[in-house]
Amino acid sequence: EIVLTQSPATLSLSPGERATLSCRASQSISGFLAWYQQRPGQAPRLLIYDASKRATGIPARFSGSGSGTDFTLTISSLEPEDFAVYYCQHRSNWPPRVTFGPGTKVDIK
Amino acid sequence: QVQLQQWGAGLLKPSETLSLTCAVYGGSFSGYYWSWIRQTPGKGLEWIGEINHSGSTNYNPSLKSRVSISVETSKNQFSLKLTSVTAADTAVYYCARTIFGVVRGWGQGTLVTVSS
Repeated sequence: EIVLTQSPATLSLSPGERATLSCRASQSISGFLAWYQQRPGQAPRLLIYDASKRATGIPARFSGSGSGTDFTLTISSLEPEDFAVYYCQHRSNWPPRVTFGPGTKVDIK
Repeated sequence: QVQLQQWGAGLLKPSETLSLTCAVYGGSFSGYYWSWIRQTPGKGLEWIGEINHSGSTNYNPSLKSRVSISVETSKNQFSLKLTSVTAADTAVYYCARTIFGVVRGWGQGTLVTVSS
């Protein structure tokens, strides 16, 4: 069973600052990792898939990188609407299972 | 643009069966996996299971003994049943569309509370 660990649990930053979020897998998952943003009271929203591909409509300030076990989501310059919780996610083919990380909360400093 | 709309009972007593349905509008029903995911403050996002248009299912092993996901392709709907609920099953439940392992659409969420 693949376990995803995210760090830090909370990231306190100011608008305009750069945010760097980490996701680590318990074993290699190649590049099959997605990132989601969740604002209060809303369902999660897909940001990045296949580790580095931006989903449709996602601003260029969001970027993803990594492969194997270590992945990073970077927000180059935080906008007010970016203060939210971010989750990483992987689906294994065998056994078929979807796993989410515990999340990183980006809040206003 | 696919839309997922879900409904079902929001208040249950312990030992009852949770039942939710999700309708899919504006997109193909085949070629995807249709999932149920729940969210609790303590455990975050938890995948419950998935089904495709032909009825092939995969379940989270931790819930497998109590979960059943079914599909009604003629109505573009899929449903979740979770038996013998306890307070630990209190959560926001989401239906979702998954393709190649990526969740690309979510329902609005249903808060299900289990309380005597």
